Amino acid sequence: DAMVIQNPRYQVTQFGKPVTLSCSQTLNHNVMYWYQQKSSQAPKLLFHYYDKDFNNEADTPDNFQSRRPNTSFCFLDIRSPGLGDAAMYLCATSPGHSYNEQFFGPGTRLTVL
Amino acid sequence: KQEVTQIPAALSVPEGENLVLNCSFTDSAIYNLQWFRQDPGKGLTSLLLIQSSQREQTSGRLNASLDKSSGRSTLYIAASQPGDSATYLCAASDSNYQLIWGAGTKLIIKP
Repeated sequence: DAMVIQNPRYQVTQFGKPVTLSCSQTLNHNVMYWYQQKSSQAPKLLFHYYDKDFNNEADTPDNFQSRRPNTSFCFLDIRSPGLGDAAMYLCATSPGHSYNEQFFGPGTRLTVL
Repeated sequence: KQEVTQIPAALSVPEGENLVLNCSFTDSAIYNLQWFRQDPGKGLTSLLLIQSSQREQTSGRLNASLDKSSGRSTLYIAASQPGDSATYLCAASDSNYQLIWGAGTKLIIKP
């Protein structure tokens, strides 16, 4: 089945140790998104790609970077994780036209020790 | 600036009841409105998407409506079941294909 896949599902890292989260999609969608979601809060958009065009939200910390090497894959790099970066990280995709339903992966739960 | 509100924040009803979850938005210039379900510690599952030109969408026991003039959307769940217990989020899509989120309604269906 076409889907959005995130790896790993659970990631534990140490304070300040870089970490990379991955997302892949078989939907062939143009747009990919990274969200951060903390407990009992709505998802917060970090970045999105429309094809290769990168769009950074104004309040996304510089500590967060992203790469999209091809249509299918997108990576979230956290260069120096702090305790406040512990959260669920959600990847989503959408076709990128007017019928723009977003499809989400299962998320990666990041713990920072 | 678009703002999306969901009231109540939590709702508990007995199994078998029909129920309505509410979502309101301040700017009627939306592309679409999407309802999601989220189970604890899990990702988001898309339930229904209503285009701005549509009034409602149905999927099984779920029916979502959209009234742009009043800035409201509702999600109707018929014959609720304990498995419907989850947090339900609505999100309005703007012209940049970005979602503006409500804070969600945590629904508990009591057996």
